[in-house]
Amino acid sequence: DAGVIQSPRHEVTEMGQEVTLRCKPISGHDYLFWYRQTMMRGLELLIYFNNNVPIDDSGMPEDRFSAKMPNASFSTLKIQPSEPRDSAVYFCASGDRAKSGANVLTFGAGSRLTVL
Amino acid sequence: DQQVKQNSPSLSVQEGRISILNCDYTNSMFDYFLWYKKYPAEGPTFLISISSIKDKNEDGRFTVFLNKSAKHLSLHIVPSQPGDSAVYFCAASVPIGGGADGLTFGKGTHLIIQP
Repeated sequence: DAGVIQSPRHEVTEMGQEVTLRCKPISGHDYLFWYRQTMMRGLELLIYFNNNVPIDDSGMPEDRFSAKMPNASFSTLKIQPSEPRDSAVYFCASGDRAKSGANVLTFGAGSRLTVL
Repeated sequence: DQQVKQNSPSLSVQEGRISILNCDYTNSMFDYFLWYKKYPAEGPTFLISISSIKDKNEDGRFTVFLNKSAKHLSLHIVPSQPGDSAVYFCAASVPIGGGADGLTFGKGTHLIIQP
């Protein structure tokens, strides 16, 4: 397996533009998580899905953020409109909680977003 | 409030010596604790975990110790090697159905191994 695949790796955009981040989880994993990493707040959970269904989006900062998982092999995180304070590294992670009692998540390489 | 705390932002250790990274937590519902390692421009990678019913887990050069009464865990790396230089994250999870299926992370400790 190629692991969790995220795109784009880097995105530079201007304030007000729409940003779409993409994630392909590991095949067979039934959980998918979106995390955001900033210097101030560290790694914070934004939203997660179980079997493609959003379970908890309480970490999504505002209505400008939305996430979808139309099928087991693809998820998107969208920011519209983007603001400079959204600049961060966004990680996607997947896991198979039933098989992995320790709740081991596998992370993608991240998407570094810069909003000017 | 931070449920998982890593109070040392950075730690410098000489090659060959022991590295000890510390982590404190507040939620007594956590059932597993994990350590992740992160290199620049990469995602965190899983290193080692420990169940809340254990007090020690060892994997090669890496050992994690858990003190439930103190709500404290530590990661020991012996001997430390240059490739161990990275940011180490402590993370914890609650049991399935406990209301949150993700991992709660500390802010990380940047370990620097000096030659």
